[in-house]
Amino acid sequence: GAGVSQTPSNKVTEKGKYVELRCDPISGHTALYWYRQSLGQGPEFLIYFQGTGAADDSGLPNDRFFAVRPEGSVSTLKIQRTERGDSAVYLCASSPAVLAGLDEQFFGPGTRLTVL
Amino acid sequence: DAKTTQPNSMESNEEEPVHLPCNHSTISGTDYIHWYRQLPSQGPEYVIHGLTSNVNNRMASLAIAEDRKSSTLILHRATLRDAAVYYCILRTQKLVFGQGTRLTINP
Repeated sequence: GAGVSQTPSNKVTEKGKYVELRCDPISGHTALYWYRQSLGQGPEFLIYFQGTGAADDSGLPNDRFFAVRPEGSVSTLKIQRTERGDSAVYLCASSPAVLAGLDEQFFGPGTRLTVL
Repeated sequence: DAKTTQPNSMESNEEEPVHLPCNHSTISGTDYIHWYRQLPSQGPEYVIHGLTSNVNNRMASLAIAEDRKSSTLILHRATLRDAAVYYCILRTQKLVFGQGTRLTINP
């Protein structure tokens, strides 16, 4: 079956611009996670959705970052006034959320964001 | 979040077993130990998890120390496709990744 998909695969933007990154989770998965990964580092948690609501947004670095999941399926990560330090691979993962935190998370291939 | 410690890198030969260690001395009684791996240019993928008992699946085995302060991921016969960064994680709802161990497999 289809896995987690993310679009675009690559995004190049200029400092100060606004970007949107999209995640399509596996059908039926109620939990959705965003992480970002800088070069040479492990992924860093950003935000977690259970259904439509953000259950934990403690990893969002500042108020330029925002994420939505209006219908409990597709999610969009929005970054305003991008900075060069935002350059990273943004990873999305989903899980069925049946076992309360023990479910395997299925990751997408990521969106590589480059801010010039 | 509880912290794990892993060697930065390890090297092994194809078709030999590989033992990847992880220390988690501050683990709490309810923390599950999860392992994920990340192949080059891909998102992480789940490998295995356990609580107290040793666990086996088609990909690997997980050996957990009796005091749960350490664990070892065992790849029984490494292949070139097992070259990846392996992350040991004490699981809460979110995954808290450390630096992981970069595993190199020599042909």
